[in-house]
Amino acid sequence: DIQMTQSPSSLSASVGDRVTITCQASQDISIFLSWYQQKPGEAPKLLLYDASSLGTGVPSRFSGSGSGTDFTFTISSLQPEDFATYYCQQYDNMPRTFGQGTKVEIK
Amino acid sequence: QVQLLQSGAEVKKPGASVKVSCKVSGFPLTELSMQWVRQAPGKGLEWMGTFNREHGETIYAQKFQGRVTMTEDASTDTAYLELSSLRSEDTAVFFCAAEVVVGATDFWGQGSLVAVSS
Repeated sequence: DIQMTQSPSSLSASVGDRVTITCQASQDISIFLSWYQQKPGEAPKLLLYDASSLGTGVPSRFSGSGSGTDFTFTISSLQPEDFATYYCQQYDNMPRTFGQGTKVEIK
Repeated sequence: QVQLLQSGAEVKKPGASVKVSCKVSGFPLTELSMQWVRQAPGKGLEWMGTFNREHGETIYAQKFQGRVTMTEDASTDTAYLELSSLRSEDTAVFFCAAEVVVGATDFWGQGSLVAVSS
């Protein structure tokens, strides 16, 4: 199985900050990576797929980059509604595997 | 608009089985690729499996092999997840999630809590 390593596992940030999360795959997954946001008690929400393509209706402050094994997820200007946990997931190989998550908290 | 409506919470005893349903509306189930994802309390997301419509095969995560069955009823646009030989560590919220574009899992059910307790 492909292992997905996200970092950091948590971070504290203020509204307006630029936030970056990284995700590293244990082997080459091309661009087959998606990013999800999950708030407590809710289902995950797709933000990005194919490493950098925005999901439907997702604000442009969310962006992603990378290919191969190293990927980056960025929130350009953190908004109050962005405090949540973020997960990467690879879908190049079965089983699809998630990173362990990054919790973004209010500083 | 695609909506996924899952069955309600269940409490099961160790060794029992549970069957979770996921009713799709707004789009034919046969044109979606359905995934199932598990989340234990306070833990991360865990992919369980999917029905690969292109190849007509169900793919399960190795961890669940032999205990999990994913099925679909196209006549009612409903997908099902059955997990057997339940143990306490299976206590979790189970999500169905669907995609039209590979990897873009746009549509999620609300989650079904399964609690396993003696």
